[in-house]
Amino acid sequence: NAGVTQTPKFQVLKTGQSMTLQCAQDMNHEYMSWYRQDPGMGLRLIHYSVGAGITDQGEVPNGYNVSRSTTEDFPLRLLSAAPSQTSVYFCASSSRSGAGERNEQFFGPGTRLTVL
Amino acid sequence: AQKITQTQPGMFVQEKEAVTLDCTYDTSDQSYGLFWYKQPSSGEMIFLIYQGSYDEQNATEGRYSLNFQKARKSANLVISASQLGDSAMYFCAMRPKNQGGKLIFGQGTELSVKP
Repeated sequence: NAGVTQTPKFQVLKTGQSMTLQCAQDMNHEYMSWYRQDPGMGLRLIHYSVGAGITDQGEVPNGYNVSRSTTEDFPLRLLSAAPSQTSVYFCASSSRSGAGERNEQFFGPGTRLTVL
Repeated sequence: AQKITQTQPGMFVQEKEAVTLDCTYDTSDQSYGLFWYKQPSSGEMIFLIYQGSYDEQNATEGRYSLNFQKARKSANLVISASQLGDSAMYFCAMRPKNQGGKLIFGQGTELSVKP
Protein backbone atom coordinates (compact mmCIF):
# COMPACT_ATOMS: atom_id res chain seq x y z
CA ASN A 1 0.00 0.00 0.00
CA ALA A 2 1.25 3.48 -0.85
CA GLY A 3 -0.91 4.95 1.96
CA VAL A 4 -1.69 8.65 1.48
CA THR A 5 0.09 10.33 -1.41
CA GLN A 6 0.26 14.05 -2.17
CA THR A 7 1.48 15.92 -5.21
CA PRO A 8 3.34 18.11 -5.71
CA LYS A 9 5.86 18.12 -2.86
CA PHE A 10 6.79 21.76 -3.46
CA GLN A 11 5.04 24.57 -5.33
CA VAL A 12 5.65 28.27 -5.85
CA LEU A 13 2.76 30.41 -7.05
CA LYS A 14 2.27 34.06 -7.81
CA THR A 15 -0.51 35.98 -6.15
CA GLY A 16 -3.77 35.41 -7.99
CA GLN A 17 -2.82 32.12 -9.60
CA SER A 18 -4.94 29.04 -9.03
CA MET A 19 -3.85 25.48 -8.54
CA THR A 20 -4.94 22.09 -7.27
CA LEU A 21 -3.15 20.05 -4.64
CA GLN A 22 -3.69 16.37 -5.24
CA CYS A 23 -4.34 13.76 -2.56
CA ALA A 24 -5.00 10.07 -2.98
CA GLN A 25 -5.27 7.11 -0.62
CA ASP A 26 -5.39 3.39 -1.33
CA MET A 27 -6.70 2.17 2.02
CA ASN A 28 -10.41 2.47 1.13
CA HIS A 29 -10.87 5.02 3.91
CA GLU A 30 -14.18 6.84 4.14
CA TYR A 31 -12.81 9.98 5.79
CA MET A 32 -10.37 12.37 4.18
CA SER A 33 -9.17 15.75 5.40
CA TRP A 34 -6.99 18.71 4.47
CA TYR A 35 -4.95 20.62 7.04
CA ARG A 36 -2.55 23.50 6.86
CA GLN A 37 0.44 23.97 9.16
CA ASP A 38 1.93 27.39 9.75
CA PRO A 39 5.09 28.10 11.77
CA GLY A 40 4.49 27.99 15.50
CA MET A 41 1.01 26.62 15.09
CA GLY A 42 -0.50 23.21 15.05
CA LEU A 43 -2.40 21.82 12.12
CA ARG A 44 -5.67 23.52 11.28
CA LEU A 45 -8.48 21.81 9.43
CA ILE A 46 -9.44 23.33 6.07
CA HIS A 47 -12.06 20.92 4.69
CA TYR A 48 -12.96 17.32 5.27
CA SER A 49 -15.09 14.60 3.72
CA VAL A 50 -16.92 11.66 5.25
CA GLY A 51 -17.45 9.91 1.93
CA ALA A 52 -17.71 10.36 -1.81
CA GLY A 53 -19.90 13.33 -2.61
CA ILE A 54 -19.92 14.67 0.96
CA THR A 55 -17.67 17.49 2.13
CA ASP A 56 -17.75 19.99 4.96
CA GLN A 57 -15.82 23.03 6.09
CA GLY A 58 -13.23 23.01 8.81
CA GLU A 59 -11.74 25.86 10.79
CA VAL A 60 -10.08 27.78 7.94
CA PRO A 61 -11.98 27.09 4.68
CA ASN A 62 -11.84 30.52 3.03
CA GLY A 63 -9.99 30.58 -0.26
CA TYR A 64 -10.13 26.81 -0.76
CA ASN A 65 -12.52 24.45 -2.52
CA VAL A 66 -12.78 20.68 -2.36
CA SER A 67 -14.78 17.95 -3.99
CA ARG A 68 -14.82 14.19 -3.54
CA SER A 69 -16.00 12.30 -6.58
CA THR A 70 -14.29 9.02 -5.61
CA THR A 71 -13.33 7.32 -2.35
CA GLU A 72 -9.65 7.49 -3.28
CA ASP A 73 -9.16 11.13 -4.25
CA PHE A 74 -9.66 14.42 -2.43
CA PRO A 75 -8.14 17.39 -4.30
CA LEU A 76 -7.79 20.82 -2.72
CA ARG A 77 -8.20 23.82 -5.02
CA LEU A 78 -6.78 27.25 -4.34
CA LEU A 79 -8.98 29.65 -6.26
CA SER A 80 -6.81 32.78 -6.25
CA ALA A 81 -3.62 32.30 -4.28
CA ALA A 82 -2.64 34.87 -1.65
CA PRO A 83 0.61 35.20 0.35
CA SER A 84 -1.40 34.27 3.49
CA GLN A 85 -1.84 30.81 1.98
CA THR A 86 1.89 30.16 2.15
CA SER A 87 1.97 27.05 4.32
CA VAL A 88 2.56 23.32 4.47
CA TYR A 89 -0.54 21.37 3.47
CA PHE A 90 -1.27 17.90 4.75
CA CYS A 91 -3.87 15.47 3.52
CA ALA A 92 -5.06 12.71 5.85
CA SER A 93 -7.42 9.75 5.75
CA SER A 94 -9.03 7.39 8.23
CA SER A 95 -11.65 4.70 8.36
CA ARG A 96 -15.10 5.25 9.78
CA SER A 97 -15.04 5.58 13.56
CA GLY A 98 -17.38 4.02 16.01
CA ALA A 99 -17.47 5.29 19.57
CA GLY A 100 -14.23 4.44 21.30
CA GLU A 101 -12.52 3.14 18.16
CA ARG A 102 -8.99 4.30 17.47
CA ASN A 103 -9.06 4.70 13.66
CA GLU A 104 -6.23 7.18 13.62
CA GLN A 105 -5.69 9.51 10.72
CA PHE A 106 -2.91 8.60 8.31
CA PHE A 107 -1.12 11.60 6.89
CA GLY A 108 0.48 12.23 3.55
CA PRO A 109 4.02 13.67 3.31
CA GLY A 110 2.78 17.24 2.84
CA THR A 111 3.01 19.90 0.15
CA ARG A 112 5.08 23.01 0.85
CA LEU A 113 3.40 25.94 -0.91
CA THR A 114 4.88 29.41 -1.28
CA VAL A 115 2.80 32.26 -2.67
CA LEU A 116 4.78 35.29 -3.82
CA ALA B 1 -15.44 25.91 21.91
CA GLN B 2 -13.40 22.75 21.58
CA LYS B 3 -9.73 23.38 22.09
CA ILE B 4 -6.41 21.68 22.77
CA THR B 5 -3.74 23.48 24.80
CA GLN B 6 -0.09 22.53 24.96
CA THR B 7 1.67 24.94 27.28
CA GLN B 8 5.26 23.81 26.74
CA PRO B 9 6.66 25.27 23.51
CA GLY B 10 9.99 23.52 24.10
CA MET B 11 11.32 20.81 26.38
CA PHE B 12 14.76 19.32 27.00
CA VAL B 13 15.43 15.86 28.37
CA GLN B 14 18.56 13.85 28.97
CA GLU B 15 18.93 10.67 26.98
CA LYS B 16 17.52 7.61 28.82
CA GLU B 17 15.39 9.75 31.14
CA ALA B 18 11.61 9.97 31.09
CA VAL B 19 9.74 13.09 30.00
CA THR B 20 6.12 14.26 30.24
CA LEU B 21 4.53 16.46 27.61
CA ASP B 22 1.43 18.27 28.78
CA CYS B 23 -1.91 18.47 27.02
CA THR B 24 -5.22 19.83 28.26
CA TYR B 25 -8.43 19.88 26.29
CA ASP B 26 -11.78 21.58 26.38
CA THR B 27 -14.95 19.92 25.21
CA SER B 28 -18.52 19.42 26.36
CA ASP B 29 -18.75 16.08 24.55
CA GLN B 30 -18.87 12.93 26.64
CA SER B 31 -17.46 10.84 23.79
CA TYR B 32 -14.23 11.88 22.12
CA GLY B 33 -10.83 10.56 21.18
CA LEU B 34 -7.39 11.89 22.08
CA PHE B 35 -4.30 11.35 19.96
CA TRP B 36 -0.63 12.14 20.04
CA TYR B 37 1.41 12.58 16.88
CA LYS B 38 5.13 13.02 16.38
CA GLN B 39 6.57 15.24 13.67
CA PRO B 40 10.34 14.82 13.15
CA SER B 41 12.35 17.42 11.29
CA SER B 42 11.65 15.56 8.05
CA GLY B 43 8.05 16.74 8.37
CA GLU B 44 5.89 13.62 8.33
CA MET B 45 3.15 13.09 10.90
CA ILE B 46 3.52 9.85 12.84
CA PHE B 47 0.71 8.47 15.02
CA LEU B 48 1.91 7.51 18.51
CA ILE B 49 -0.95 6.72 20.83
CA TYR B 50 -4.73 6.94 21.27
CA GLN B 51 -7.02 7.28 24.29
CA GLY B 52 -10.79 7.00 24.10
CA SER B 53 -12.81 9.07 26.52
CA TYR B 54 -14.51 5.97 27.90
CA ASP B 55 -11.30 3.99 28.32
CA GLU B 56 -10.70 3.32 31.99
CA GLN B 57 -7.09 2.29 31.58
CA ASN B 58 -4.34 4.63 30.46
CA ALA B 59 -3.16 3.79 26.95
CA THR B 60 0.35 2.43 26.40
CA GLU B 61 2.30 1.81 23.20
CA GLY B 62 5.84 0.63 23.83
CA ARG B 63 7.79 3.50 25.42
CA TYR B 64 4.79 5.82 25.12
CA SER B 65 2.03 6.06 27.68
CA LEU B 66 -0.81 8.49 28.07
CA ASN B 67 -1.64 9.83 31.52
CA PHE B 68 -5.37 10.40 31.11
CA GLN B 69 -7.15 12.40 33.81
CA LYS B 70 -10.67 12.89 32.56
CA ALA B 71 -11.92 15.09 35.39
CA ARG B 72 -9.01 17.47 34.87
CA LYS B 73 -9.32 17.18 31.07
CA SER B 74 -5.68 16.37 30.66
CA ALA B 75 -3.98 13.80 28.43
CA ASN B 76 -0.26 14.02 29.02
CA LEU B 77 2.19 11.98 26.98
CA VAL B 78 4.92 10.18 28.89
CA ILE B 79 7.98 8.99 26.99
CA SER B 80 10.14 6.60 28.99
CA ALA B 81 13.86 6.04 28.38
CA SER B 82 14.24 8.91 25.90
CA GLN B 83 16.33 8.32 22.80
CA LEU B 84 18.06 10.79 20.50
CA GLY B 85 15.54 9.87 17.80
CA ASP B 86 12.73 11.16 20.01
CA SER B 87 13.80 14.74 19.25
CA ALA B 88 10.82 16.13 17.33
CA MET B 89 7.62 18.17 17.55
CA TYR B 90 4.80 16.46 19.41
CA PHE B 91 1.16 17.31 18.84
CA CYS B 92 -1.83 16.48 20.97
CA ALA B 93 -5.12 16.26 19.07
CA MET B 94 -8.78 15.60 19.79
CA ARG B 95 -11.41 13.97 17.61
CA PRO B 96 -14.84 15.31 18.60
CA LYS B 97 -17.85 13.06 18.98
CA ASN B 98 -19.23 11.68 15.72
CA GLN B 99 -16.83 13.78 13.67
CA GLY B 100 -14.56 11.33 12.02
CA GLY B 101 -12.15 13.06 9.70
CA LYS B 102 -11.86 16.01 12.02
CA LEU B 103 -8.93 16.53 14.41
CA ILE B 104 -8.34 19.59 16.57
CA PHE B 105 -4.63 20.06 17.21
CA GLY B 106 -2.66 21.83 19.88
CA GLN B 107 0.25 24.09 19.02
CA GLY B 108 2.81 21.42 19.71
CA THR B 109 5.82 20.89 21.97
CA GLU B 110 9.33 20.70 20.58
CA LEU B 111 11.29 18.03 22.43
CA SER B 112 15.07 17.96 22.34
CA VAL B 113 16.90 14.93 23.71
CA LYS B 114 20.43 15.62 24.92
CA PRO B 115 23.14 12.93 24.75
